[in-house]
Amino acid sequence: AAGVIQSPRHLIKEKRETATLKCYPIPRHDTVYWYQQGPGQDPQFLISFYEKMQSDKGSIPDRFSAQQFSDYHSELNMSSLELGDSALYFCASSLSGTSGGSYEQYFGPGTRLTVT
Amino acid sequence: AQSVSQHNHHVILSEAASLELGCNYSYGGTVNLFWYVQYPGQHLQLLLKYFSGDPLVKGIKGFEAEFIKSKFSFNLRKPSVQWSDTAEYFCAFRTDSWGKLQFGAGTQVVVTP
Repeated sequence: AAGVIQSPRHLIKEKRETATLKCYPIPRHDTVYWYQQGPGQDPQFLISFYEKMQSDKGSIPDRFSAQQFSDYHSELNMSSLELGDSALYFCASSLSGTSGGSYEQYFGPGTRLTVT
Repeated sequence: AQSVSQHNHHVILSEAASLELGCNYSYGGTVNLFWYVQYPGQHLQLLLKYFSGDPLVKGIKGFEAEFIKSKFSFNLRKPSVQWSDTAEYFCAFRTDSWGKLQFGAGTQVVVTP
């Protein structure tokens, strides 16, 4: 079965550079979530999109922005990178619950960002 | 504030031992509950979930969990662990059917041969 695809899998950037992370959800999934997992920490919710609109926002720095495109893939743009941004960034996708159901989130393999 | 707490940060046990990981959440309304497993260097995989109905849910790899509403708990159990169960286990919940997940701090489980 198709899974969530994230690219790149590994990314090394220097401080103050920019980075773009991409997420391709499972086909027919209309909701995408971004999470950040720092070393030894639990995943923290950053932002989510439903039908190309931002649906919720968590602890996402102002230096970060994201969007969901017409093909439902999503991109997380990170600018002015700081050492503390080094983390594993997960994307998850799901069907929405707008029809009344409850659906689980399927996680991608993550992008490991290292800021030097 | 909504939160989820996991009782143990590190658990070490021998193969064939029984495992129980505690998870409590703080929220007064309806919740969806999850246990995810993260093997070293890998992504989060869903072990099991509770949305409604039978509070005892069975998941993959022989895991099960019981939702006790009165205790706001969703403890994970496995009767007999294997070395391959060495991983980090995260409890998570959400307060609506398709919202963000809130994760606990995780429990690192090490199973020794």
